[in-house]
Amino acid sequence: ELQLVESGGGLVQPGGSLRLSCAASGFTFSSFAMSWVRQAPGEGLEWVASIRSPGDKTYYADSVKGRFTLSRDNSKNTLTLQMNSLGADDTATYYCAKANTGYYVDHWGLGTVVTVSS
Amino acid sequence: EIVMTQSPVTLSVSPGERVTLSCGASQSVSSNLAWYQQKPGQVPRFLIYGASTRATGIPARFIGSGSGTEFTLTISSLQSEDFAIYYCQQYDSWPLTFGGGTTVEI
Repeated sequence: ELQLVESGGGLVQPGGSLRLSCAASGFTFSSFAMSWVRQAPGEGLEWVASIRSPGDKTYYADSVKGRFTLSRDNSKNTLTLQMNSLGADDTATYYCAKANTGYYVDHWGLGTVVTVSS
Repeated sequence: EIVMTQSPVTLSVSPGERVTLSCGASQSVSSNLAWYQQKPGQVPRFLIYGASTRATGIPARFIGSGSGTEFTLTISSLQSEDFAIYYCQQYDSWPLTFGGGTTVEI
């Protein structure tokens, strides 16, 4: 069974950093692009970042570019989102997402909650 | 950035009704359009890709159509479990963008 399990969320002060991880299982991780999608409380879905299957290219939303870094370890089936300079607008549930050929999401993790507050 | 606009924002319907949700793109996305369903407190569920191809296990009552800038998700006969928020997403170009969602409520 395909599983995406996020970890690393929590409460962080404005300007702080967090590292989110996603452990993938049940599919050939190295063959698929991966993404993070977030959802602020009571709001809609917002794409955050994506990474190609080999890990050689990343894409970021303008709202996080320069602050977030997406990486992957295909030997460990792990996706990592390093988030720096966090602000209140980054408060959201962050979903790890398996992307398909066109970078649409065909499987979602359960999400991890990030709260940025003093 | 391609802006995705969904209408209506909220749709009040009854079980058994035919429902049509609209999604518009600010520029052509060809058929690179996906739909998702999200119920309160739950993870989004993948419904449709390529504008009209249902994901594995999605009931035939969910019908996607359109191309270019105008797309539609039709639920042919609304079931009680279909009350949810529906999002469209374009994956034609970066950045990927979602619509604001349509809430289907009783």
